[in-house]
Amino acid sequence: EVQLVESGGDLVQPEGSLRLSCAASGFTFSNYWMSWVRQAPGKGLEWVADIKGDGSKKYYVDSVKGRFTISRDNAKNSLYMQMNSLRAEDTALYFCARDDGASPSAFDFWGQGTLVTVSS
Amino acid sequence: QAGLTQPPSVSKDLRQTATLTCTGNSNNVGKEGAAWLQQHQGHPPKLLSYRNNNRPSGISERFSASRSGNTASLTITGLQPEDEADYYCSTWDSSLDAYVFGTGTKVTVL
Repeated sequence: EVQLVESGGDLVQPEGSLRLSCAASGFTFSNYWMSWVRQAPGKGLEWVADIKGDGSKKYYVDSVKGRFTISRDNAKNSLYMQMNSLRAEDTALYFCARDDGASPSAFDFWGQGTLVTVSS
Repeated sequence: QAGLTQPPSVSKDLRQTATLTCTGNSNNVGKEGAAWLQQHQGHPPKLLSYRNNNRPSGISERFSASRSGNTASLTITGLQPEDEADYYCSTWDSSLDAYVFGTGTKVTVL
């Protein structure tokens, strides 16, 4: 059974930093692109970043470029998001999602999410 | 980054048919098609349809997807109370090198 479990969300002050983690199980983690998708309270879904199975390619939404870094450790079946220079508008529930890797691809499994609140 | 356009809400009677639309451009929906996701309040999204009209295991045949030009559609037949949820389309945008989501449609079953 595919499982994705996020952690690391917290209340942080503006300009602060946070590192999110996503523990994956039930599939060959290194074979899949993985993404972070966020959802601000009461709002829609917004894709944030994704990373290729071997970590060699990464893509980001414009609003987080230069502030967020996606990474992975295939030996630990884990996905990460280092978030720096956090802003109030980064407040959201952050989901880890598996990209099924086909063309065009789709997010076929999702975690429950971890909440990031940026506020003074 | 521009997203995909969906109507904010659709309301239909029980057992009726609802058709949701998702409009993009030639760099996203027109080129790649779209996937559809369902999200119930307080839950993560669930994939309903991918590569235009493929359903993951366990997804009801009442959900069917299609595409015409730059617009993707999701049709829900025989609406049930459990279909009340938010629905999002998503796809890759080749000009942005980014995934884009639709603005979301809230389906209400009367």
